[in-house]
Amino acid sequence: ELKVEQNPLFLSMQEGKNYTIYCNYSTTSDRLYWYRQDPGKSLESLFVLLSNGAVKQEGRLMASLDTKARLSTLHITAAVHDLSATYFCAGGNNNNDMRFGAGTRLTVKP
Amino acid sequence: SQTIHQWPATLVQPVGSPLSLECTVEGTSNPNLYWYRQAAGRGLQLLFYSVGIGQISSEVPQNLSASRPQDRQFILSSKKLLLSDSGFYLCAWTRDSKDYGYTFGSGTRLTVV
Repeated sequence: ELKVEQNPLFLSMQEGKNYTIYCNYSTTSDRLYWYRQDPGKSLESLFVLLSNGAVKQEGRLMASLDTKARLSTLHITAAVHDLSATYFCAGGNNNNDMRFGAGTRLTVKP
Repeated sequence: SQTIHQWPATLVQPVGSPLSLECTVEGTSNPNLYWYRQAAGRGLQLLFYSVGIGQISSEVPQNLSASRPQDRQFILSSKKLLLSDSGFYLCAWTRDSKDYGYTFGSGTRLTVV
């Protein structure tokens, strides 16, 4: 069974700074997802990464996937307060399901 | 376009009472359907998934059950709720193709008292 670990679990950063969230997974997975969750809300899909070396960017967020290292990263550039949320990575399991990391609670302070 | 509906949004139930949460998907056929639970401040735990009518895979042994009576309907049930069943329940769907992410419903916040 696929296990997914994220770090850090809590991240407090100042506006304008850069930071990276890491997502390691235990076994071979052919797909990796990133989601955002605002407090009390559902999950919103951010990125779907399907191949080694895949890189996707949306605004101040950029996600990448290294299947050999079993590592995905979510890089935040010049953070703004609106990015405050919990970010989850999830890996595709053997069957048709997805296993989540514990989430990274990001707080961006002025 | 495809949409996913989940209800109710909020539910407060006494211990020992039954539960029925419903999820429906519109605008697609033969979706893969999932039930996840999120405890307060925690990650998501996969409870059940279904790849077709009447096909249910259970990931966690517990007092919950799931059913898929129709192609685009997924129901989460319990005969007797426990305090530990409290949480945020999320339904999700995806196409069979792996190129797409999962789309989540708006969630049901269940409090067992």
